[in-house]
Order: sequence, then C-alpha cells, then structure tokens
Amino acid sequence: KAGVTQTPRYLIKTRGQQVTLSCSPISGHRSVSWYQQTPGQGLQFLFEYFSETQRNKGNFPGRFSGRQFSNSRSEMNVSTLELGDSALYLCASSLTPDRLNQPQHFGDGTRLSIL
Amino acid sequence: AQKITQTQPGMFVQEKEAVTLDCTYDTSDQSYGLFWYKQPSSGEMIFLIYQGSYDEQNATEGRYSLNFQKARKSANLVISASQLGDSAMYFCAMREMNNNAGNMLTFGGGTRLMVKP
Repeated sequence: KAGVTQTPRYLIKTRGQQVTLSCSPISGHRSVSWYQQTPGQGLQFLFEYFSETQRNKGNFPGRFSGRQFSNSRSEMNVSTLELGDSALYLCASSLTPDRLNQPQHFGDGTRLSIL
Repeated sequence: AQKITQTQPGMFVQEKEAVTLDCTYDTSDQSYGLFWYKQPSSGEMIFLIYQGSYDEQNATEGRYSLNFQKARKSANLVISASQLGDSAMYFCAMREMNNNAGNMLTFGGGTRLMVKP
C-alpha cells in the first residue's frame, strides 16, 4: 500500500514568489493535514481538510492557503514568499478525523528554501 | 504554557540497552490521545505508538512501550534493546478531542536519540 506522497521533494524559490505543494494521501484516507517544521519553531499545524472542507487552521498568515480535491488529494499554496517560510512542509493523512486513536501517517515532506 | 514538553534535547544510549524518552503534557480535555513519532535524518515522520486518555493499560508495540501516568500528565516512551537504526529525532504529540482542535496534533520540541555501538 503506497504511503503519503508529497511533491516536489525539494524546492528553491526567491522572496516574493508563490509556491504550490502537493500531497496525495494513503488510498482510502480522507483527512489531510499540513504541518510546517523549522529549527526555531519546531512542528506547527497549518491546516486540516476533510471532504474538501477546511476543518481547522493554525496560526499562520493568510498567505498560507490550501485546498482538497474530491479524490482527497490536497495542495497548499504560499504566496509572497518570505525568508522565514523556508521549512520542511509535511503532509499527513488519516482515514477520518473522528476517531481519536487513528494515527496520522506522514509523507517525506517538501523542503522549501527561500533565497 | 507549552502543551507538550520534552525536556531532553539529546540523549545517548548504548546499543542493546533500554532508554526512556520523557514527555509531559498539559490539557484540560478529558478525552485526548498521545502519539510518538520517529523522524530519521531523511525527514519522514514514522508513527510508533498511541495511548488514549481512557486506556487503562500502557500501550506496547514491539520494542516500544509507553509509560502513561495520567495523574502526572506524563507519557514517556521506552525503547527496549536499542539498535543503531533507532538513532533519530523522537517527537511526542497530543490530539485533543474538543471541538476546536479537529485532527490537529500538537508536538513537543523533540529528543535526539543517538545509539552508540
């Protein structure tokens, strides 16, 4: 069974540009969450999608947005990139968000570097 | 206040010995789950073990076990018979079941474990 697939693995952008990251969840998983990991702030929750609806959003500016498609694949977009957006962006999927004991399974991440 | 605290930034353990990684948490929810993840240098987060707040027994999963002390709000990970491949960052995370949390995981700062041959 294929795991969570994130593309691209690495990305280099310059300040002011925008970027779109993609996540394909494990087959059958309908809940997708995104996290940002930086050395300074650690792992921080960005947002969560289920059935194409954003259910929850972390404390990030409006430059960070996302969406989920009918096949549960998700994308996140960051506009007007800043140096501080350099991070590892991790996507995680689970079957549904309603069962507490269901772990989220993570992809390998997209490492974004802003020059 | 930090919701998840991991007080050991780095730890060494001798191969084949057991090691305990500490995690304390803070929540007012009655229903919550605690998760441990392993992150090797390659970056992927690997789910290790889960403990629910209502679980009466400590969770075990192969060489991993969780020492859950609810009154003390601690959920320490015990790795038995350490292997060189256990060298990685380890993260403790919590999911709260209140309406505003959704599926959000709150992570601790992590502990870097290094296994010595």
